[in-house]
Amino acid sequence: DTGVSQDPRHKITKRGQNVTFRCDPISEHNRLYWYRQTLGQGPEFLTYFQNEAQLEKSRLLSDRFSAERPKGSFSTLEIQRTEQGDSAMYLCASSLGQGQSGYTFGSGTRLTVV
Amino acid sequence: GQNIDQPTEMTATEGAIVQINCTYQTSGFNGLFWYQQHAGEAPTFLSYNVLDGLEEKGRFSSFLSRSKGYSYLLLKELQMKDSASYLCAVLDSNYQLIWGAGTKLIIKP
Repeated sequence: DTGVSQDPRHKITKRGQNVTFRCDPISEHNRLYWYRQTLGQGPEFLTYFQNEAQLEKSRLLSDRFSAERPKGSFSTLEIQRTEQGDSAMYLCASSLGQGQSGYTFGSGTRLTVV
Repeated sequence: GQNIDQPTEMTATEGAIVQINCTYQTSGFNGLFWYQQHAGEAPTFLSYNVLDGLEEKGRFSSFLSRSKGYSYLLLKELQMKDSASYLCAVLDSNYQLIWGAGTKLIIKP
């Protein structure tokens, strides 16, 4: 297992377009998290899954954002009708159990909305 | 509300020692993490403290006082590659990680 993988690494899109990001967690990890991070800030929680169930969504996650984790394996995060304020690094992390062993992060997807 | 405070930026000299402090107020506590993040990269795990005291791991040590809501990360024998942001994060009562904004550490020769 090579860790958490995210695809694509970079995405430039025009305002109003839809984008979808993919995350492949460490296979034994049952929890998967999505975060957003802007320059000079810590990661902001967006949502997380335990296996295939989406257990919590942040208030930050507007109706334009949706995440899925079919079959409890990889996950996708879709942003519809992108806005310039959506420009950020989108980080995926996974953990075993309740996270006391730490979260393992992917390299992130940097989204730029022009 | 939940809050984690750490200095925005610190500067230190190569070969020296630096201590990065973190104070927290969270709903519950299930451990505190320190992560290192180089510019443009993902955070990487450094340490985890759940009991009071000092945990040493090579050049890095992390200390926790639960009664004071306080932790620090101590970096010894600083190297240029230690220039990065250091993020403090607390696992709250819901086992959610609450993150500080990070401390940007600048190492000068």
